[in-house]
Parts: sequence; C-alpha cells; structure tokens
Amino acid sequence: GAGVSQTPSNKVTEKGKYVELRCDPISGHTALYWYRQSLGQGPEFLIYFQGTGAADDSGLPNDRFFAVRPEGSVSTLKIQRTERGDSAVYLCASSLRPHSTGELFFGEGSRLTVL
Amino acid sequence: DAKTTQPTSMDCAEGRAANLPCNHSTISGNEYVYWYRQIHSQGPQYIIHGLKNNETNEMASLIITEDRKSSTLILPHATLRDTAVYYCIVRVASGSGGSNYKLTFGKGTLLTVNP
Repeated sequence: GAGVSQTPSNKVTEKGKYVELRCDPISGHTALYWYRQSLGQGPEFLIYFQGTGAADDSGLPNDRFFAVRPEGSVSTLKIQRTERGDSAVYLCASSLRPHSTGELFFGEGSRLTVL
Repeated sequence: DAKTTQPTSMDCAEGRAANLPCNHSTISGNEYVYWYRQIHSQGPQYIIHGLKNNETNEMASLIITEDRKSSTLILPHATLRDTAVYYCIVRVASGSGGSNYKLTFGKGTLLTVNP
C-alpha cells in the first residue's frame, strides 16, 4: 500500500516487559513523527525525525522510551520496562518535508495494552 | 502555537451541512489553521488548511473570519461516514522557525451524523 504502515496493530504485554513498535512511512517522506493517544484524548507528540536523526524528542515521557530510524525510512519505537500507564494507541505519521504547509499522513496506529 | 477552543460534541442530520466552529483568539499572523479528523479506530486524516482566505477542496470548506480569531469548517452534505472527531489546530508557517513541524492536538469535536 501507499500509506503509512504500522505493526503490530495490537500488542498485549505484561508489566515490566520490553516492546517494539514499527512504522514504515510513505516512500520518499523525510519527516517522521510518533504520537501517543490515550482514550478520550487527542494525539500527543512524542518525537520527530528528520532523516535518520531525532530532531525533537521533547515529547518522550521518560528514559524508558526510545526511538530509532537508522536508515532514514523505517522507524522503531522502543519501550522498556512497560507500565500499565503506557497503554495507549501509538500513532506514526510522515510528511514529505517537515517545514512546510503540507499535511501529515498518519498510520492506523499500534494499540498497546500493558496488563 | 496558539491554542484552540472547540465544542466537545455536535450532531448533524445526514445530507445537511455540518458547521464546526473553532476559536483561536491568540493566533499569530504567521500561523495557519489546520483541520484534521479521526474516524473511530483510525489515524487522523488531513482535511484542509488556510491562512486568511477562505479555502475549499473536495472534502470541505474553511471559512476564516477577517480578524482570524475564529474559523468554521463546513462539510456541505454530511454523510454517516463523516462521523468522527474533528481537530482544529494552528501551526506556524514554513520558514518561521520554531517547532513548525509539529501538530498540537486538543480534544476536538465529536461530530455525530444521524440518519
């Protein structure tokens, strides 16, 4: 497909476990974003990549959260020692250029449930 | 980025126009108004954006007041598939510096289109 792809669509894990969530952006999009959405809330910014580098990680809640984009395309959001409060939908988005008036294209999200 | 205020929820009859208001009284001269929507269990979807002139595309029309302190998103003939949460967001234009790559979501307006 031509859209942003996120896997897995659903992940159930136990408290304390390690989780990886993957995002495959639209081909050619240099900017990639991770957001987190809790029930009843709007998406909350986590981190933004321009190419391979994290240009802004100010939204990551603590050092248990980390994201990489080693080749400037696919990105992985990594959560260590998961807690019940990490349960949310994790959304990935990409855009052709970050500093533009263009739109962000979102994936359908990965729903994480921490038991 | 300037904050926005939207009603929590609205109802609309199928086939009628849906008019979704948004207040952004602290908007700056270099900030655009963006609208996204999020259908249940999907990622947000871009609808339209504008600076000061009214805009129209195949999905909707955006009416921005002359003082730019408020705007209205118009879905001219709402269908059941338009039931979603609609987010009004203001974001600085490209080249204006700062974190103009980011979208900051509020809670949006839940629009329910009734048969």
